[in-house]
Amino acid sequence: DVKVTQSSRYLVKRTGEKVFLECVQDMDHENMFWYRQDPGLGLRLIYFSYDVKMKEKGDIPEGYSVSREKKERFSLILESASTNQTSMYLCASSSGLGTDTQYFGPGTRLTVL
Amino acid sequence: GNSVTQMEGPVTLSEEAFLTINCTYTATGYPSLFWYVQYPGEGLQLLLKATKADDKGSNKGFEATYRKETTSFHLEKGSVQVSDSAVYFCARYSSASKIIFGSGTRLSIRP
Repeated sequence: DVKVTQSSRYLVKRTGEKVFLECVQDMDHENMFWYRQDPGLGLRLIYFSYDVKMKEKGDIPEGYSVSREKKERFSLILESASTNQTSMYLCASSSGLGTDTQYFGPGTRLTVL
Repeated sequence: GNSVTQMEGPVTLSEEAFLTINCTYTATGYPSLFWYVQYPGEGLQLLLKATKADDKGSNKGFEATYRKETTSFHLEKGSVQVSDSAVYFCARYSSASKIIFGSGTRLSIRP
């Protein structure tokens, strides 16, 4: 079975802090994605990556950056956290370009005070 | 705008009731369609999918049929259980491995 893990289930940070959210997948997937989930808005794509060191902006990249130094790991970075970044963050992976099914991690609920 | 529209929740049903959650999409062509489920405190799991028109996806007693005439992919289950309480997301394939999700429908089942 595909396993996608995220470094924290719950995280509380203060405004202005730099925040790192880590995601690891164990199935040698090419594609990895970061979403945020907010009530009534569903999932919105922040960034995605097709390969090591490659990244593409999603629908809401402002205030975020990403890093993919190894194939199995995709990090989401909040350079200076703000209260409007309080949300559930979900990581996903899929096997290759053109493949459609994504596999999700359990999510990180981030609260920015 | 969002190209996947699903019925707003919450939906509350009694155990063994019939479930329908409506979903319509807009797209060029016939993209793969999905239903994902999110149980409390967990990430999303693929529930079922259909890759072409008239296909029926099914899993765990849930079904959805890809209807190109009505651009719909409604989720149905004949007899729901308390364990089906979750948030359900309709989605469609976009391009280059990306998926567009609907806003989610929260389902609560009363014993």
